Amino acid sequence: NAGVTQTPKFRVLKTGQSMTLLCAQDMNHEYMYWYRQDPGMGLRLIHYSVGEGTTAKGEVPDGYNVSRLKKQNFLLGLESAAPSQTSVYFCASSYGADGGNQPQHFGDGTRLSIL
Amino acid sequence: AQKITQTQPGMFVQEKEAVTLDCTYDTSDPSYGLFWYKQPSSGEMIFLIYQGSYDQQNATEGRYSLNFQKARKSANLVISASQLGDSAMYFCAMRDPYNAGNMLTFGGGTRLMVKP
Repeated sequence: NAGVTQTPKFRVLKTGQSMTLLCAQDMNHEYMYWYRQDPGMGLRLIHYSVGEGTTAKGEVPDGYNVSRLKKQNFLLGLESAAPSQTSVYFCASSYGADGGNQPQHFGDGTRLSIL
Repeated sequence: AQKITQTQPGMFVQEKEAVTLDCTYDTSDPSYGLFWYKQPSSGEMIFLIYQGSYDQQNATEGRYSLNFQKARKSANLVISASQLGDSAMYFCAMRDPYNAGNMLTFGGGTRLMVKP
């Protein structure tokens, strides 16, 4: 059971570089999410998607873009990385509108450092 | 706006004893859901337990139970018979029912350390 898979697990970037984090889920979930977790803090929502071809902003969307071209994949892009984006990034997925009492399932996280 | 508060940054508990992790929330919506997640040192987020605002009984899952006090807006996690493997960060989260994406708002977490 793969669940939610994030690629890569670790990455070091230089300021100004770009990169894409990939999230894939095999549970046929409608909703997908990207969070960031800074040291000693809870998770904050960056962007989310309620279905293929849709995306929406979360609490901290600046500096990030996302795409959901396929139901099972949710991509998070950093166009011009900044040191403030050093964080651990989590992808999650969940059932759709009728699944409000169902938990979000999380990937193992991507540890990203921007130098 | 919704808010989740976990007032205990860190806690110690003796192995085999019970421990309560506090969580208070603030919302004006009558319908909401509360979740607890565990994050061990390896980093993954593990779902533990769920409580709906209209649930008549407190949720239980094995050694985990929720002390849900709706009037006080608190949803404290109780872990019975603590084990060394319970040492981890614990996060309380609330689902906003009125947004399109079942989004969760997380508290800042509590680090639990179980002493042998």
